[in-house]
Amino acid sequence: GAVVSQHPSWVICKSGTSVKIECRSLDFQATTMFWYRQFPKQSLMLMATSNEGSKATYEQGVEKDKFLINHASLTLSTLTVTSAHPEDSSFYICSASPNRGFTGELFFGEGSRLTVL
Amino acid sequence: AQRVTQPEKLLSVFKGAPVELKCNYSYSGSPELFWYVQYSRQRLQLLLRHISRESIKGFTADLNKGETSFHLKKPFAQEEDSAMYYCALRGDNFNKFYFGSGTKLNVKP
Repeated sequence: GAVVSQHPSWVICKSGTSVKIECRSLDFQATTMFWYRQFPKQSLMLMATSNEGSKATYEQGVEKDKFLINHASLTLSTLTVTSAHPEDSSFYICSASPNRGFTGELFFGEGSRLTVL
Repeated sequence: AQRVTQPEKLLSVFKGAPVELKCNYSYSGSPELFWYVQYSRQRLQLLLRHISRESIKGFTADLNKGETSFHLKKPFAQEEDSAMYYCALRGDNFNKFYFGSGTKLNVKP
């Protein structure tokens, strides 16, 4: 099956620094990738849709200047949490669907746990 | 606005008992409904989708448009079914997926 990989799996940073999380589709191309945020014991909240070669579209309430998304190629999307604060600590998950043979199924990365001190 | 509701955070049953995980949705268009599962220390993965009308690992789910529900059912639960289950809705624009809050299924021996 299709594989989505995230890096890093976990990261600890100081308040005020920026953190970049990568999401790669390893064996397929994806024009669109999705970034989710998961709070403890809560659902996945869709943050934004990452579009290859164009600007990401953000869900209501998500600060685009805070969560910078870049989708420079058909296999890589990055999420940068800028000037991170403790309230940004969370589990970030990316997902994607193959461009070819789209079946409606989302493939998920393993997630990246961010802890901001 | 779209919404997916899973009213139960935790569902505990004994092995061999029937199980039903509830999911209700709200969407103005024609959604596709999915169930995703997350086993312990694994990533989310697709369990089944309403358009395929298939049974996966003994689970079935029927889309009831009148009740806007997509409940997941299994007649005889197994211990290996213990996991987090998420109901998801895919809208008809931009392929966005929206998830419910999840139900943790605990199947006791």
